[in-house]
Amino acid sequence: QLQLQESGPGLVKPSETLSLICTVSGGSISGSSYSWDWVRQPPGKGLDWIGAIDSRGATYYNPALRSRVAMSVDTSKNQFSLKLASVTAADTAVYFCFYGGFSWGQGTLVTVSS
Amino acid sequence: DIQMTQSPSSLSASVGDRVTITCRASQDIRNDLGWYQQKPGKAPKRLLYAASSLESGVPSRFSGSGFGTEFTLTISSLQPEDFAAYYCLQYRSYPRTFGGGTKVEIK
Repeated sequence: QLQLQESGPGLVKPSETLSLICTVSGGSISGSSYSWDWVRQPPGKGLDWIGAIDSRGATYYNPALRSRVAMSVDTSKNQFSLKLASVTAADTAVYFCFYGGFSWGQGTLVTVSS
Repeated sequence: DIQMTQSPSSLSASVGDRVTITCRASQDIRNDLGWYQQKPGKAPKRLLYAASSLESGVPSRFSGSGFGTEFTLTISSLQPEDFAAYYCLQYRSYPRTFGGGTKVEIK
């Protein structure tokens, strides 16, 4: 059964870059049928789709974040990653990775604060 | 981009009640829609995919319907463990978009 686990700093300073990794176990990230996605949820609010990367490396981003987001895949480590530049307090959220809509990581809280 | 309008944003109901939540898409998404349940501090859990297909292990009191732009999630008899937030997600095209969510609370 596929398992996903987010990791990365829990605290990021304003104007810096948020970097998260999602490690996949129980299956290979290569040649997957679906895309690998990131979603975030600000405290007390709803779910916000950030972007996705597919098995060919093609990326798809939320237009509202496109200028600041980059996603990549490291098949050797069975991981995919998220980078969000120039963060502000509005980027404080729980960040989830998921696959195919059905396998989700547990989420990691990232706080943007000096 | 496809906008997903979910209603109501919250509702109060009693155990045993029938509950219906609606998602409306700004354009035709065929049946490329999932419904999710999220409990506090937890990741969302998919209940249904392809608008009406029940995920394995999900109780049959959950059902979904709709095609095109109008979709509903129905809980036929609300149970104590169903008090949670519910979201729809369209995966017809990128960017993916979630509905705003419905918080189901105890009356």
